[in-house]
Amino acid sequence: EAGVAQSPRYKIIEKRQSVAFWCNPISGHATLYWYQQILGQGPKLLIQFQNNGVVDDSQLPKDRFSAERLKGVDSTLKIQPAKLEDSAVYLCASSPGNTDDDEQFFGPGTRLTVL
Amino acid sequence: GNSVTQMEGPVTLSEEAFLTINCTYTATGYPSLFWYVQYPGEGLQLLLKATKADDKGSNKGFEATYRKETTSFHLEKGSVQVSDSAVYFCAFRYYKLSFGAGTTVTVRA
Repeated sequence: EAGVAQSPRYKIIEKRQSVAFWCNPISGHATLYWYQQILGQGPKLLIQFQNNGVVDDSQLPKDRFSAERLKGVDSTLKIQPAKLEDSAVYLCASSPGNTDDDEQFFGPGTRLTVL
Repeated sequence: GNSVTQMEGPVTLSEEAFLTINCTYTATGYPSLFWYVQYPGEGLQLLLKATKADDKGSNKGFEATYRKETTSFHLEKGSVQVSDSAVYFCAFRYYKLSFGAGTTVTVRA
């Protein structure tokens, strides 16, 4: 079974530029998550989708971050404009459902460097 | 607010040594508790979990017991191998998954 796919794996941009990350979850997984992992810290949830609806985006900086999950499958996370403090690894995860019994499977992440 | 605190690293051990990584949580309810592991060059993956008090999670020789009275979920392994070198994250789920800062473990041959 294929895992969670993310692209690109690495991205370097200058501050004030825009960037987009793509995630393809495990087939059949209804729930999709985007996390931000700053160096030396644990992952922090940015947004959670259930199918194509947003369940939790309370920690998403909505003035610059946006995410969508069209058709309830793939998802895109965008940052516009980027700031230096956005340098981090962006992790996508998916799970069959939204309970404690539904294990979250993580992708390899996209490492963003903002110069 | 709800949070999880885990032992700071890095931790360096010799093969066959005993490993303990401390983790404590603060929560208003009774969250499910998890340990995740990130091996070098790989994605984050679930190592073990416990969903209620006194439950013991175990996998790959690792164990952790959900202790409500001490609000702890310490990770232990009796004899580590070089292949256990990784970053270990304690996490809890109370509506959403929240992670500790991670502990880097290096096992020397």
